[in-house]
Amino acid sequence: GAVVSQHPSRVICKSGTSVKIECRSLDFQATTMFWYRQFPKKSLMLMATSNEGSKATYEQGVEKDKFLINHASLTLSTLTVTSAHPEDSSFYICSARPTDSYNEQFFGPGTRLTVL
Amino acid sequence: AQTVTQSQPEMSVQEAETVTLSCTYDTSESNYYLFWYKQPPSRQMILVIRQEAYKQQNATENRFSVNFQKAAKSFSLKISDSQLGDTAMYFCAFMNPPYNQGGKLIFGQGTELSVKP
Repeated sequence: GAVVSQHPSRVICKSGTSVKIECRSLDFQATTMFWYRQFPKKSLMLMATSNEGSKATYEQGVEKDKFLINHASLTLSTLTVTSAHPEDSSFYICSARPTDSYNEQFFGPGTRLTVL
Repeated sequence: AQTVTQSQPEMSVQEAETVTLSCTYDTSESNYYLFWYKQPPSRQMILVIRQEAYKQQNATENRFSVNFQKAAKSFSLKISDSQLGDTAMYFCAFMNPPYNQGGKLIFGQGTELSVKP
């Protein structure tokens, strides 16, 4: 089956530093990847849509300068949280849509970010 | 904008019994996709079942089946012969057709299901 990995699975950083989270599709190519944020016991909130070779599309209210997304290849998208603050602490999940499919998305296992 | 509503924040069911989780949505589109995802304590999102709106037949996957009522914009999930491993958060999700918003998933609030021995 299609597998998506995320690295790291959990990260703790100091306030003011930047953190990079990687999302990889391991056995398929993904032109489009999505980044979500999830608070405890809450639903997934779409942050942005990442398209290979072009700029990401951010949802309303998401700061594009704070959450930098790069989709440099058909198997890798990265989310960088810049100048992290405690309120950025959350669970971040990515999903990848196979290039040859429209209505499928495969999810990564998530990254727990804690900002001290 | 499309919205997805799950009105049952928590539910519980005895092992081996049947439980139905509710989901309603709002859209002006006629062709779209609906999904149920499971998120166990590991927090890995797992696709349970998928329904294409233009298909009238309700989707089934082993013990999981849906009741898709297009006119009522309702998409409930029935879990038969509930097992302890079904304990998880369940999310209903909506996806627009390709020409509208590029395949983004819109999630409901979730229903936390507990299966009791």
